[in-house]
Amino acid sequence: KAGVTQTPRYLIKTRGQQVTLSCSPISGHRSVSWYQQTPGQGLQFLFEYFSETQRNKGNFPGRFSGRQFSNSRSEMNVSTLELGDSALYLCASSPGLRGSNEQFFGPGTRLTVL
Amino acid sequence: AQKITQTQPGMFVQEKEAVTLDCTYDTSDQSYGLFWYKQPSSGEMIFLIYQGSYDEQNATEGRYSLNFQKARKSANLVISASQLGDSAMYFCAMRDASGYALNFGKGTSLLVTP
Repeated sequence: KAGVTQTPRYLIKTRGQQVTLSCSPISGHRSVSWYQQTPGQGLQFLFEYFSETQRNKGNFPGRFSGRQFSNSRSEMNVSTLELGDSALYLCASSPGLRGSNEQFFGPGTRLTVL
Repeated sequence: AQKITQTQPGMFVQEKEAVTLDCTYDTSDQSYGLFWYKQPSSGEMIFLIYQGSYDEQNATEGRYSLNFQKARKSANLVISASQLGDSAMYFCAMRDASGYALNFGKGTSLLVTP
């Protein structure tokens, strides 16, 4: 079974721009979660999608948004980039059942905002 | 609110020795799940082991075992027979009340020396 894939792996943007990151979950998994990892704040939950619906959302400003497609692939978008958005963005794939003990991560997208 | 605490920012262990990475948690939920992940320098989060709060036995996965002490709210990871490839960041995480998101600790950096 192929693992979780994320594209692109690396991205450099400037302040004020917007960016879109993509995540393809493991085949058969219907849930995709997104996390932001920074040296200062550690790993923080952004949001989770299941069957094209956002089920859960972390404490991030509205500049961070996401969506999920019918094939379970997910995208997250960050608008009006700030320097503090520089981070490793990880997505995690899960069957989506409540309390599932399976949550597998992709390799991440490293975003640098200049 | 949940809280995960990893008090060891860094640990050293000699190859072939066993090492214990500490994790304590705080939650008011009766049912919860605890995870351990490994993050090498490449950035990908690798799932290691899972413990459910109602599991009567400590979880084991190969060289990894989880020393779960529910009354003390601790879920320490034990790595037996350390290998050089075990050098990485290790994160303890708990599934949140929604059942879909993970709350992570700050992590422990493990260095295995020859």
